[in-house]
Amino acid sequence: GAVVSQHPSRVICKSGTSVKIECRSLDFQATTMFWYRQFPKKSLMLMATSNEGSKATYEQGVEKDKFLINHASLTLSTLTVTSAHPEDSSFYICSASRVYEQYFGPGTRLTVT
Amino acid sequence: AQTVTQSQPEMSVQEAETVTLSCTYDTSENNYYLFWYKQPPSRQMILVIRQEAYKQQNATENRFSVNFQKAAKSFSLKISDSQLGDTAMYFCAFMRLNTGTASKLTFGTGTRLQVTL
Repeated sequence: GAVVSQHPSRVICKSGTSVKIECRSLDFQATTMFWYRQFPKKSLMLMATSNEGSKATYEQGVEKDKFLINHASLTLSTLTVTSAHPEDSSFYICSASRVYEQYFGPGTRLTVT
Repeated sequence: AQTVTQSQPEMSVQEAETVTLSCTYDTSENNYYLFWYKQPPSRQMILVIRQEAYKQQNATENRFSVNFQKAAKSFSLKISDSQLGDTAMYFCAFMRLNTGTASKLTFGTGTRLQVTL
């Protein structure tokens, strides 16, 4: 149990376009999901906390207008990178919370050309 | 705010040997959990072990065990009988317990472990 999926696993987009990443909890309901960004050989940096039915809470320094988060149901949260630029290229990971544990998705590698 | 420190960027251990990864943290909280996560080359985060701060007994999961020293704010991970599949990045993480809401994780910078033949 406690499986979290992410789609797509890899995406390449052109500078100036937007890209959406989906995070789904497949076998449990998650009122809270988290979005992380990870640079090569670095730790996970929390970007935002996504709560079902309410606005996301963004960490300091994260542009909420660039990284749009929607948590429309108890099993789905989406991260949209708007007007992407090459510096947005990174590995994005989501996690879904169940009680006091977080279950992680496999990540999405975003490359902006 | 909480901080988690992993002072060993890289470590190496021979197969079948034992290795200990160190982690220290700083918090003023009394109720929290500590975790070790493993991130292999696939980059999938995998929970290795969890320790509740209120428990004095150190957590164990098969070949993995922790040495939790609450007063010293230390939380080391011991891997016994190391296997090639243990090669990965290991992250120590802290979670403050909130009432009624999910809690976020604070990660350390990670230790890259290489298991060699």
